[in-house]
Amino acid sequence: DIQMTQSPSSLSASVGDRVTITCQASQDISNYLNWYQQKPGKAPELLIYDASSLHTGVPSRFSASGSGTDFTFTISSLQPEDIGTYYCQHYNSLPPTFGQGTRLEIK
Amino acid sequence: QVQLVQSGAEVKKPGASVKVSCKASGYTFTNYAINWVRQAPGQRLEWMGWITTGNGYTKYSQKFKGRVTMTRDTSADTAYMELTSLRSEDTAVYFCAREPIGEEYRYFDYWGQGTLVTVSS
Repeated sequence: DIQMTQSPSSLSASVGDRVTITCQASQDISNYLNWYQQKPGKAPELLIYDASSLHTGVPSRFSASGSGTDFTFTISSLQPEDIGTYYCQHYNSLPPTFGQGTRLEIK
Repeated sequence: QVQLVQSGAEVKKPGASVKVSCKASGYTFTNYAINWVRQAPGQRLEWMGWITTGNGYTKYSQKFKGRVTMTRDTSADTAYMELTSLRSEDTAVYFCAREPIGEEYRYFDYWGQGTLVTVSS
C-alpha cells in the first residue's frame, strides 16, 4: 500500500495567517491526490481533488499544488471556521490511503 | 441537495456482526459508487471497500476480505456494509462516501454523517 505522510501533525495560527500543510507519498501518485477537512464530530468534506482542483462551493482561500510524490495545501488567509483536521488522500491505485491528519487550531 | 444518511450507533459484543445502512437522496443513486471508510479512535481514515450501485460489483480492502460484505438496494437508494466476527479493534466510526463513476474521477465528494460502532463485552 502507498503510505501518505503529512506535516506538521498539528499547527496553531492566527486569523489572517497563511497556512501550509505538506503531504508526501511513498511512491509516485501522479496528481491523484485529494484534500479533506474534518471538523470535530463531523464527516470529512472534500476541498481539493486531483491535486489542485477546487471542489464545488469551496472558498477560494483554499488551494493546493503538487504532483508525483510531494504536495502542498494552503489556506491563504485563515478564518475561524477553518479549524479542524485536514487529511490528504491518494487515489492512484487501490487501496486509497489517507495521511495521518493535520490538526489546525486558532491561536 | 446530495445527502447520505446513515443508520444509528450500534453496540455489539465480540464475535457478533453489524450492518450499517447509508440512504442516498438528491441524486441518481446508480450513477455513483459508494465507498466505506472507517475511523478508529485517534487513527487515520481507513478505506474498507466500494460497491458500484448500478451492477452491485464490489471491491474490498485486503484487510477486510472475508469479514465485510457490501450490498445495495436500488429500489430504496440505500447501500449497506456488514462486518462480521467483530473484535474490539473494530470499534470505530464508519462512514459511507459517494464516488463518481468513471476512471477519471478519483475522489469522495459527499460523505454520510458516520455511524459509531462500539465492540465491547
